Amino acid sequence: DAGVIQSPRHEVTEMGQEVTLRCKPISGHNSLFWYRQTMMRGLELLIYFNNNVPIDDSGMPEDRFSAKMPNASFSTLKIQPSEPRDSAVYFCASSFGGRAADTQYFGPGTRLTVL
Amino acid sequence: RKEVEQDPGPFNVPEGATVAFNCTYSNSASQSFFWYRQDCRKEPKLLMSVYSSGNEDGRFTAQLNRASQYISLLIRDSKLSDSATYLCAVNRGDDMRFGAGTRLTVKP
Repeated sequence: DAGVIQSPRHEVTEMGQEVTLRCKPISGHNSLFWYRQTMMRGLELLIYFNNNVPIDDSGMPEDRFSAKMPNASFSTLKIQPSEPRDSAVYFCASSFGGRAADTQYFGPGTRLTVL
Repeated sequence: RKEVEQDPGPFNVPEGATVAFNCTYSNSASQSFFWYRQDCRKEPKLLMSVYSSGNEDGRFTAQLNRASQYISLLIRDSKLSDSATYLCAVNRGDDMRFGAGTRLTVKP
């Protein structure tokens, strides 16, 4: 079975550019999570969708970040404009059963570098 | 204070050693607990759930102490392949929070 799919795997961009990260959750899962991981701050939850609806975006750092989930099989995380401090690994995870679900399955991540 | 805290390590141990990690959580309403393993430049993967009575999976033993609000992971007879970062995760019922991870290096 295919796991969570993320693209691109690596992204290098210049400050000020728009960055779009993509995620395809595991088929049948109804919850999707976007995380950011850095050495300094560890794994941080950015936003959580349940049944394609954003439930909690309190982790989104600022207005430069936005996320969408137009259907059950696709989500995007957009950063516009990007800044060097956005450099991190961005993980998408999915689960069945909402935020209280016991197991979240992570995608391979997108390693973002903003110069 | 972070809601879930771990000793970042690194823990450097020889092959065959026994090593233990602790993870403390601040929300007493937390309901379920997990250990994830993350290899270098890879995603976190569920290692094991932590049950109230403690549970074992081969060389790995997980325990929960609700009174003191911590969970632990014990690795016996450590292997080179155990080298990774171990993240604890705590589910409050409405949210899953991860610790920053403890890095383990097992050396020959």
